[in-house]
Amino acid sequence: EIVLTQSPGTLSLSPGERATLSCRASQSVSSSYLAWYQQKPGQAPRLLIFGASSRATGIPDRFSGSGSGTDFTLTISRLEPEDFAVYYCQQYGSLPLTFGGGTKVEIK
Amino acid sequence: EVQLVQSGAEVKKPGESLKISCKGSGYSFTTYWIGWVRQMPAKGLEWMGVIYPGDSDIRYSPSFQGQVTISADKSINTAYLQWSSLKASDTAMYYCVRHRRGRYMSDAFDIWGQGTMVTVSS
Repeated sequence: EIVLTQSPGTLSLSPGERATLSCRASQSVSSSYLAWYQQKPGQAPRLLIFGASSRATGIPDRFSGSGSGTDFTLTISRLEPEDFAVYYCQQYGSLPLTFGGGTKVEIK
Repeated sequence: EVQLVQSGAEVKKPGESLKISCKGSGYSFTTYWIGWVRQMPAKGLEWMGVIYPGDSDIRYSPSFQGQVTISADKSINTAYLQWSSLKASDTAMYYCVRHRRGRYMSDAFDIWGQGTMVTVSS
C-alpha cells in the first residue's frame, strides 16, 4: 500500500499570499497518477488536479500541480477567500487507492 | 448534468443491517467505475472499494474487505454499499464517486455524491 504524507498539517496564510502544499509518497506513484481535492466544511470534496498537473474542468488557473515519482506539490498562486479549505492528495496508480491525511489552509 | 445522488441520512443500532444507495444520471452509468469513500467525523478520506456496473467487476480495499458489500443494479443506474451488522465505528459520512475516464479504474474521482451520513448508536 502506498502511504501518502501531506505537509504541513495546517498552513496559516492571508488572502493574496501563495500557498505551497506537499504530498510525499512511500513509493513511486506510477504514471504520475496523483490527484488533489479541495474540501470545504459540510461539502463533498472537489477534484482540482489529476495526473499530477492537469487542472480539472472549471478549476481556476491559480491552482497548479507539479511533481513526479514520490514528491508532489499543489500551489495556489494567490489565495482567494474561497480557497481556505482542506486539501487532500490521492494516488490512483495502484490498489488500494490511498489518500493523504490532508492539509488545512486557514486564514491567518 | 452529470450527478450522483445518494440516499438520506441513517440512524441505526449496533448489529443492524443497512444498504445505502447512489444513483447516477446524465451519463452512461454502465461505462464508468463507481467507488465508495468513507470519512469518519473530523477525519480524512478513506477509499473503500469500487464497482464497474457494466459487468459488476468489484475491488475492495483490504481494510474494508469482508466488512461491507458493494453492488450495483444497472437497470436503475444505482450503486449500493451495505453492511450486515453495523458497529459504532461505522459512524461516518460515506461518499460515492465516479472515476473520470470510464473504463479506467486507475483514475481520479471527478464526480462526488453529496454524501450519506450513517450514525450507529445504541
